Amino acid sequence: GENVEQHPSTLSVQEGDSAVIKCTYSDSASNYFPWYKQELGKGPQLIIDIRSNVGEKKDQRIAVTLNKTAKHFSLHITETQPEDSAVYFCANPGKSTFGDGTTLTVKP
Amino acid sequence: EAQVTQNPRYLITVTGKKLTVTCSQNMNHEYMSWYRQDPGLGLRQIYYSMNVEVTDKGDVPEGYKVSRKEKRNFPLILESPSPNQTSLYFCASSSSGQGSYEQYFGPGTRLTVT
Repeated sequence: GENVEQHPSTLSVQEGDSAVIKCTYSDSASNYFPWYKQELGKGPQLIIDIRSNVGEKKDQRIAVTLNKTAKHFSLHITETQPEDSAVYFCANPGKSTFGDGTTLTVKP
Repeated sequence: EAQVTQNPRYLITVTGKKLTVTCSQNMNHEYMSWYRQDPGLGLRQIYYSMNVEVTDKGDVPEGYKVSRKEKRNFPLILESPSPNQTSLYFCASSSSGQGSYEQYFGPGTRLTVT
């Protein structure tokens, strides 16, 4: 089936810096773009999502942006903290499959 | 509390010994799904169910069976487990399929087949 490409696969930042993870999709009809966070030993959990009628959504230090023309959506984390260290997944819009994940490490 | 539960959380078994991993959700969700997670391979979908008595294959269904006799339960069955099925398994549910709504994940079942 159609997949979603997620980049980068690993990301290491200093505490306080920003982190950006990007997903590129292929289905033009998609209208729901979620991001999940998986902490060690736990199942993935939704942290933010956006529908196609808006271009950006913020929730405190995290934000998701959507570029429907270019078919990509991105997760932005500002002022990163050590507890942001986790694996982040985008979901394939319109399907119940996922990108390959990004391991984010925030160094104190 | 809204949740997805899985049992067992950890299981070590031997090749060929049939096993079932249970999954239950209390949110009256129509859609349920099973994933396996392996290092470097992300989350791969095994089977999913759009509603009671409706199941379909995901990306990696070989060696697995599922059933959906009740809305809340979606067990994963390994009729004859093999070592390549050693993995971390997650059950998930959503109010609707087609990837249009949030998925709620269980805590995971770590399976080792020797």
